[in-house]
Amino acid sequence: GAVVSQHPSWVICKSGTSVKIECRSLDFQATTMFWYRQFPKQSLMLMATSNEGSKATYEQGVEKDKFLINHASLTLSTLTVTSAHPEDSSFYICSARDHASYNEQFFGPGTRLTVL
Amino acid sequence: RKEVEQDPGPFNVPEGATVAFNCTYSNSASQSFFWYRQDCRKEPKLLMSVYSSGNEDGRFTAQLNRASQYISLLIRDSKLSDSATYLCVEKTSYDKVIFGPGTSLSVIP
Repeated sequence: GAVVSQHPSWVICKSGTSVKIECRSLDFQATTMFWYRQFPKQSLMLMATSNEGSKATYEQGVEKDKFLINHASLTLSTLTVTSAHPEDSSFYICSARDHASYNEQFFGPGTRLTVL
Repeated sequence: RKEVEQDPGPFNVPEGATVAFNCTYSNSASQSFFWYRQDCRKEPKLLMSVYSSGNEDGRFTAQLNRASQYISLLIRDSKLSDSATYLCVEKTSYDKVIFGPGTSLSVIP
């Protein structure tokens, strides 16, 4: 099946620093990628939808200047958490979708971010 | 009202038991529904799609009731390895994917 990777798998950083998370589709071209955030004991919350070559669409309440998304190629999307604070500590998961599997999203393994 | 609602559980059932989860959705125009399984600290994995006619995959059966706007997941002959959180997912008519809060299942020996 389709494989999506994320890097790093976990990161610990100081408050005020920026963190970049990469999401890659390894064996298919992902025209659309999604970024989710999941706090402990809660479900996944969609942060933004990213289409290759265009600006991301952010969900209500998600600051686009704080969570920068770039989807420059059909296999790579990046999420940068700028000036991270402890409340940004969460599990960030990306997913990718291609034309062939329109209904199914393939999830990356997630990135656990801890901001001290 | 939340768009997708689930009983968070936990459901604690003995091995071999049959367990059923329900999930309600608020958008009557939504066409596609799915059940995902998520293990602790891991990414969600697709368990099965849910069709109007219902579908079955081994011990798992999913049903969609459009009139009452709910979907269900039935697990027969529960195994220890079925312990996980089960996420109900709705794909709306405008292509937005919404996850439910999840139902926690623990199968005990």
